[in-house]
Amino acid sequence: DAGVIQSPRHEVTEMGQEVTLRCKPISGHNSLFWYRQTMMRGLELLIYFNNNVPIDDSGMPEDRFSAKMPNASFSTLKIQPSEPRDSAVYFCASRTGTGIEKLFFGSGTQLSVL
Amino acid sequence: AQSVTQPDIHITVSEGASLELRCNYSYGATPYLFWYVQSPGQGLQLLLKYFSGDTLVQGIKGFEAEFKRSQSSFNLRKPSVHWSDAAEYFCAVGGALNAGKSTFGDGTTLTVKP
Repeated sequence: DAGVIQSPRHEVTEMGQEVTLRCKPISGHNSLFWYRQTMMRGLELLIYFNNNVPIDDSGMPEDRFSAKMPNASFSTLKIQPSEPRDSAVYFCASRTGTGIEKLFFGSGTQLSVL
Repeated sequence: AQSVTQPDIHITVSEGASLELRCNYSYGATPYLFWYVQSPGQGLQLLLKYFSGDTLVQGIKGFEAEFKRSQSSFNLRKPSVHWSDAAEYFCAVGGALNAGKSTFGDGTTLTVKP
């Protein structure tokens, strides 16, 4: 299995531009999580999906952020318009079930908004 | 390269007993250290973090951790475990190297006996 796949690995954009981050979870996993990581705040949960349905989006910072999961094998996190304070590493993770199953992380997208 | 080792894959303690989860790290500069908890059906939640200063840090839910530079350790402790503490616990190291991207340990699963 290729693991959780995120793209792009790096994104550099100018303030005001739209940014779309992509994630392909591990096949068979029915829970998907989007995290943002900064040096000072660590890892913050933005939103998670169960069976493609958003369960908790309370971590989404503001209306500029949106996430979709149109099917079990794909999810996007969009920032529009982007701002310099959005610069961070964004991780996608997936797992099976709703118990204490292991969480598998993608390699992250390093976003820099200039 | 940065790395984190959590030597204990699974720990079982009785409710009311004390707990210590071990974490050893390798990092080429001053580390930022984190402990996260993943409860059933939930995403990762930050328990506590260490950047500098007092080497004993207090977190949420009654947890604390002690940074020991000489031992490259950041062990998590709780004096009296509650049944609701049953979860998976992750240690992570990050910092100025690698753009602040954290490296996670493989996790320790905590089971609490009545």
